[in-house]
Amino acid sequence: AQKVTQAQTEISVVEKEDVTLDCVYETRDTTYYLFWYKQPPSGELVFLIRRNSFDEQNEISGRYSWNFQKSTSSFNFTITASQVVDSAVYFCALFVEGSNYKLTFGKGTLLTVNP
Amino acid sequence: SQTIHQWPATLVQPVGSPLSLECTVEGTSNPNLYWYRQAAGRGLQLLFYSVGIGQISSEVPQNLSASRPQDRQFILSSKKLLLSDSGFYLCAWSVEPVEETQYFGPGTRLLVL
Repeated sequence: AQKVTQAQTEISVVEKEDVTLDCVYETRDTTYYLFWYKQPPSGELVFLIRRNSFDEQNEISGRYSWNFQKSTSSFNFTITASQVVDSAVYFCALFVEGSNYKLTFGKGTLLTVNP
Repeated sequence: SQTIHQWPATLVQPVGSPLSLECTVEGTSNPNLYWYRQAAGRGLQLLFYSVGIGQISSEVPQNLSASRPQDRQFILSSKKLLLSDSGFYLCAWSVEPVEETQYFGPGTRLLVL
């Protein structure tokens, strides 16, 4: 069975601080995909990134960066120089081939960026 | 580009009343379609998924049902709502045959009183 753990329930930072959201996953499969989604107060889940299990390269997109480490089964997300607009719930998710198209979500981390 | 629509955006219904939520996708053909529910406390629960017209798979037994009458239309229904059906319902799509990324709609907030 697959599992995604986001141990940080809530994080509060001041604008311009860097913040890292943790994600730890469990699966016995060798082929899988990891995702991050953002859910702003409006409710819609916004896709941020997908990473497959064979690609451990870290990725940077503007102020966002992702650190994928198979050795520790982690896929952490860092926001550099946070802004108030980054305030949202962030979900990490896992997709395993042959899992009947099921995305396994973590419980999410509520990030609040204060001005 | 692809877009996904859900309606209504908000719904308040009495216990025991029927329910019909609609989801449509534009700009793609033969998508995989999904219904999720997000209850208070944030967890996302997959309710149904569909890989084609008339093909529905249920993940969780409950008083809800889903139908896919057209390629890009997915409907979530109930004959009699329960208080526990309250929540935020999200529709999502992904590309067939297998594209792992799911893209979500704006959601419907349902309050059952």
